[in-house]
Amino acid sequence: DVKVTQSSRYLVKRTGEKVFLECVQDMDHENMFWYRQDPGLGLRLIYFSYDVKMKEKGDIPEGYSVSREKKERFSLILESASTNQTSMYLCASSPTGRGVMEETQYFGPGTRLLVL
Amino acid sequence: AQSVTQLDSHVSVSEGTPVLLRCNYSSSYSPSLFWYVQHPNKGLQLLLKYTSAATLVKGINGFEAEFKKSETSFHLTKPSAHMSDAAEYFCVVSESGGSYIPTFGRGTSLIVHP
Repeated sequence: DVKVTQSSRYLVKRTGEKVFLECVQDMDHENMFWYRQDPGLGLRLIYFSYDVKMKEKGDIPEGYSVSREKKERFSLILESASTNQTSMYLCASSPTGRGVMEETQYFGPGTRLLVL
Repeated sequence: AQSVTQLDSHVSVSEGTPVLLRCNYSSSYSPSLFWYVQHPNKGLQLLLKYTSAATLVKGINGFEAEFKKSETSFHLTKPSAHMSDAAEYFCVVSESGGSYIPTFGRGTSLIVHP
């Protein structure tokens, strides 16, 4: 079974802190994604990566950055956390590189972040 | 450009009655369509997907969906709801020739009453 793990289930941070969310997948997938999920808004794509050291902005990249130094690991960074970044963050992966649109995404359990 | 609209934010059914979750999509190219389910405090899991083969797609846990190009719809159905079906359901579209990045609907919360 594909497994996508996220470093924390719950996080509480203070405004202005730098926050790191880690995601690891164990199936050698090319694509990795970071989403945030808010009630009534569904999932919104923050960033995705289709290869090591490659990244592309999604729909809402402002206030976030990402890092993919190894194929299995995709990190989301909040440079200076703000209260409007309080949300559920979901990581996902899918097998093949750019251009394949019928693939299943595999999701981690999510990290619920509270910024005070 | 692609988009997806889930027509109901909440659907409430009694256990043993049919389930219908509605999804309309917009796509400039041939779409792939997915339904994912999210149980409380869990990540999303694929229920089923359409990728230009059979228009009636069967998924896990007795769910199925029918791709209707003329109506640009991909509604999710189940003949008989079970308490364990209570969850959030997401309809997703991605398209060949487009950005290929999936677009998610806003979700439908399925409530199942005993």
